[in-house]
Amino acid sequence: DIVMTQSPDSLAVSLGERATISCKSSQSVLYSSNNKNYLGWYQQKSGQPPKLLIYWASTRESGVPDRFSGSGSGTDFTLTISSLQAEDVAVYYCQQYYTTPYTFGQGTNLEIK
Amino acid sequence: QVQLVQSGAEVKKPGASVKVSCKASGYTFTSYGISWVRQAPGQGLEWMGWISPYTGNTNYAQRLQGRVTMTTDTSTSTAYMDLRSLRSDDTAVYYCAREEDKVYSTGRFFYWGQGTLVTVSS
Repeated sequence: DIVMTQSPDSLAVSLGERATISCKSSQSVLYSSNNKNYLGWYQQKSGQPPKLLIYWASTRESGVPDRFSGSGSGTDFTLTISSLQAEDVAVYYCQQYYTTPYTFGQGTNLEIK
Repeated sequence: QVQLVQSGAEVKKPGASVKVSCKASGYTFTSYGISWVRQAPGQGLEWMGWISPYTGNTNYAQRLQGRVTMTTDTSTSTAYMDLRSLRSDDTAVYYCAREEDKVYSTGRFFYWGQGTLVTVSS
């Protein structure tokens, strides 16, 4: 199975500041035939199901604010929130969908400082 | 609008079985697969498997093989996840999530059910 490792486990950022979450996969999730990274980011607020924010490592889902961005390739990826808002408090997960079983990172708990 | 509405919370004893339902609306049920993902209390997300309502094909996570069965009823646009021989570490919120293809699992989950808490306790 592909192991997804996020860092940090927990992050406190001031309102309006940048938040950065890292995700590393135990093997590449870049599919060479289409040059796509099979990597997504989810946001999960307390008591709610996860919400897909970003797929193909950097494609923002419709309706997701542009302060959210994804980058990276191969085995190293980053989710960036450019200017933290109060409503961004949540746990964030990366997920590989390169191969089954699809696997998620352990989550990063994002709070307001 | 796309909606996935799941059945209510369950309490089961160790060794028992549970069947969770996921009723879809707002789209053609057979045009998209359904995956199941679970989340133990305070823990991360675990993909359990996938079913295509169009073909009936399934793909289960190896660690659940032999204990899980996913089925669909296309007449009612409902997907089911049956988990047998329950253990305490099966206590979790179980989610259904819509896939983006009717034949192949894509692993991208744009729509989720609200979740069903299954508690396994003696």
